[in-house]
Amino acid sequence: DVKVTQSSRYLVKRTGEKVFLECVQDMDHENMFWYRQDPGLGLRLIYFSYDVKMKEKGDIPEGYSVSREKKERFSLILESASTNQTSMYLCASSLSYGNTIYFGEGSWLTVV
Amino acid sequence: AQSVTQLDSHVSVSEGTPVLLRCNYSSSYSPSLFWYVQHPNKGLQLLLKYTSAATLVKGINGFEAEFKKSETSFHLTKPSAHMSDAAEYFCVVSTTGGGNKLTFGTGTQLKVEL
Repeated sequence: DVKVTQSSRYLVKRTGEKVFLECVQDMDHENMFWYRQDPGLGLRLIYFSYDVKMKEKGDIPEGYSVSREKKERFSLILESASTNQTSMYLCASSLSYGNTIYFGEGSWLTVV
Repeated sequence: AQSVTQLDSHVSVSEGTPVLLRCNYSSSYSPSLFWYVQHPNKGLQLLLKYTSAATLVKGINGFEAEFKKSETSFHLTKPSAHMSDAAEYFCVVSTTGGGNKLTFGTGTQLKVEL
């Protein structure tokens, strides 16, 4: 079975802190994604990556950056956390376009 | 451009009765369409997907969906609801012209009552 692992399930951070959310997949997938999920808004794409060191902005990239130094790992970085970034963050991966996308279990981030 | 509209934010059914969750999409290219389910505090799990093969797609747990190009719809159905089906369901579209991005609907919360 494909496994997408988000190492931190629940985090509480202070405003202004730098936050790292880590995601690892074990199926040699080309594509990796970061979404945030908010009630009534569904899932919104923050960034995605289709190869190592490659990234593209999604629909809501402001306030976020990403890093993909290795194929299996995709990190989401909040340079200076703000309260409006309190949300659930979901990492996902897929082999290529049109293939099934596999999700991690999510990281709940609260910024106080 | 692509978009997805889930027509109901909440659906309530009785156990043993049919389930219908509605989804309409818009896409400039041939779409791939997916339904995902999310149980509380969990990630999303794939129920089924359509990728230009048979228009009636069967998924896990007795769910199925029919791709209707003329109606730009991809509604999810199940003949008989079970309590364990209570969850949030997301309709998703992906197209080659969309740059390998997925577009999610805003979700439908399914409640199953005894």
